[in-house]
Amino acid sequence: SAVISQKPSRDICQRGTSLTIQCQVDSQVTMMFWYRQQPGQSLTLIATANQGSEATYESGFVIDKFPISRPNLTFSTLTVSNMSPEDSSIYLCSVSPSAVSQETQYFGPGTRLLVL
Amino acid sequence: GIQVEQSPPDLILQEGANSTLRCNFSDSVNNLQWFHQNPWGQLINLFYIPSGTKQNGRLSATTVATERYSLLYISSSQTTDSGVYFCAVGPSNSGYALNFGKGTSLLVTP
Repeated sequence: SAVISQKPSRDICQRGTSLTIQCQVDSQVTMMFWYRQQPGQSLTLIATANQGSEATYESGFVIDKFPISRPNLTFSTLTVSNMSPEDSSIYLCSVSPSAVSQETQYFGPGTRLLVL
Repeated sequence: GIQVEQSPPDLILQEGANSTLRCNFSDSVNNLQWFHQNPWGQLINLFYIPSGTKQNGRLSATTVATERYSLLYISSSQTTDSGVYFCAVGPSNSGYALNFGKGTSLLVTP
């Protein structure tokens, strides 16, 4: 298993500003993912972040809006840029511990973002 | 992309009752997981079950991959079972990322 922490746990931001969310894992993992959960909705994958390569973004998400860093095997950041009220969501980091086979994914506690 | 449909969307049970949640998916998968999102938003992994049957206490799950569905059984429900149950699948051709269904919102009353 993997223990994941996220910072901040919640924030209230003004429109037009940016927020960087940190994800820390207690063990080295190859695959890290960022998801968004809009109010009352399911989870949507934003991007996959592998160490040593550029993040891969899903349709509807772009690097200019959601830049991601993955400097090592235990850490990643997601920035929500030039925020608008529509960005108000829970942002979750997840990891897949195994690089050779699909298995259980583990999720962090999420970052609750409210944009005014 | 792969479609994931969960039913029912909402469910209200009295404590002690049993329930079955269903997840249908539109294409072959090599990863299927059930999650419980508690009222505080934390996602808890319940089962990794791309095929077969598993049991963990009062919960069990069955996936019939050839027929593209999975079932989550909750027996003798408790108020702490309340929350949203998500089914998430990993398509066979797209690596490790998961596609989530819309979830089943469960409320267990005393």
